[in-house]
Amino acid sequence: GAVVSQHPSWVICKSGTSVKIECRSLDFQATTMFWYRQFPKQSLMLMATSNEGSKATYEQGVEKDKFLINHASLTLSTLTVTSAHPEDSSFYICSAGEAYEQYFGPGTRLTVT
Amino acid sequence: DAKTTQPTSMDCAEGRAANLPCNHSTISGNEYVYWYRQIHSQGPQYIIHGLKNNETNEMASLIITEDRKSSTLILPHATLRDTAVYYCIVFAGTASKLTFGTGTRLQVTL
Repeated sequence: GAVVSQHPSWVICKSGTSVKIECRSLDFQATTMFWYRQFPKQSLMLMATSNEGSKATYEQGVEKDKFLINHASLTLSTLTVTSAHPEDSSFYICSAGEAYEQYFGPGTRLTVT
Repeated sequence: DAKTTQPTSMDCAEGRAANLPCNHSTISGNEYVYWYRQIHSQGPQYIIHGLKNNETNEMASLIITEDRKSSTLILPHATLRDTAVYYCIVFAGTASKLTFGTGTRLQVTL
């Protein structure tokens, strides 16, 4: 099946700094990618829909100025957590679709100290 | 996307079949039933999907009722590596959002 990668797989940063997470579709092109967040023992929560060449669509309650999404090419979407705080510590997962299938990345664990 | 309901947790003995039910009574005609699983600290893994016919692949079988209001995922011979949270999701296609419910935590035991 298709492969979606994420980088980094884990990151630790200090409060107030910004962190960029990359999501790549390795063997297919994706005009739409999705970003999810998962807190411990909880389900995945959709944060935003990343659209190639246009602005991302954010779910209700997600701050678009804090979670910057750039979908600059058909194989790459980036999520930047700006001015990170400890409450932003979470597991961030992206997905990309091909036909009727959604493929998920391995996730990025962000810890803000 | 249609809402799904699944049992919170299930246990299964290794080597036995694991049958995971899912209710999706408000599913629309163009929505597929998808199953994913998530092993601890990993991204969700695609298992199988179907529209109205039963489906089988190397991982599992999917049984969808005739009225499409419920389905069952069958792992024919569960192993310890099948211990995971299993999500049943209905959605209409690539550009549609996947909405994850709480899923079923399957524990496979010796």
